[in-house]
Amino acid sequence: SQQGEEDPQALSIQEGENATMNCSYKTSINNLQWYRQNSGRGLVHLILIRSNEREKHSGRLRVTLDTSKKSSSLLITASRAADTASYFCATDAMGSGGGADGLTFGKGTHLIIQP
Amino acid sequence: SAVISQKPSRDICQRGTSLTIQCQVDSQVTMMFWYRQQPGQSLTLIATANQGSEATYESGFVIDKFPISRPNLTFSTLTVSNMSPEDSSIYLCSASNLEKLFFGSGTQLSVL
Repeated sequence: SQQGEEDPQALSIQEGENATMNCSYKTSINNLQWYRQNSGRGLVHLILIRSNEREKHSGRLRVTLDTSKKSSSLLITASRAADTASYFCATDAMGSGGGADGLTFGKGTHLIIQP
Repeated sequence: SAVISQKPSRDICQRGTSLTIQCQVDSQVTMMFWYRQQPGQSLTLIATANQGSEATYESGFVIDKFPISRPNLTFSTLTVSNMSPEDSSIYLCSASNLEKLFFGSGTQLSVL
């Protein structure tokens, strides 16, 4: 069954604004990861947050994790046209062994940054 | 990190034929995987490519349809056999040494 579900499915904002995407999941996890996919390309790993972490930063990215609500959010600050892409959360379910083969991807949020 | 080269980047194939996709990693990696991504959908794991042994397939995927090779720690191939239009999709190679995945640029396959 699908583990992660992103919300919204699509998001369009003006350049310079902040973009927030959410991910909800069903079972306990070891970690949650966010990936970016530019149109027609492979995915790029953005950030990993472990189940015992609540917040993590990487450049203009801020990820939060609320294990009690089984949800995560990805915030992109000061968005740029180059941030236009699909963003996927991937969860590593507890008991899956902890390797990347246990990752389950959501359907993604398609983000469009209007110049 | 690992850099993954995948080819072909796209192909248009006739029904009933087969296509082999190649994946080359610039360094030795522990694990290699093949995913399928149908239009507007999430990624679905096809199989884990095991070095020197048979691949481990996920539910709904079988070796006869998707034979996989992994002769060494840096190279793998996926063949899509006896193709039908339902096989039209993006196929992605990925690699990992631990928790994170690194992806090739994908193969966009269209079957007529």
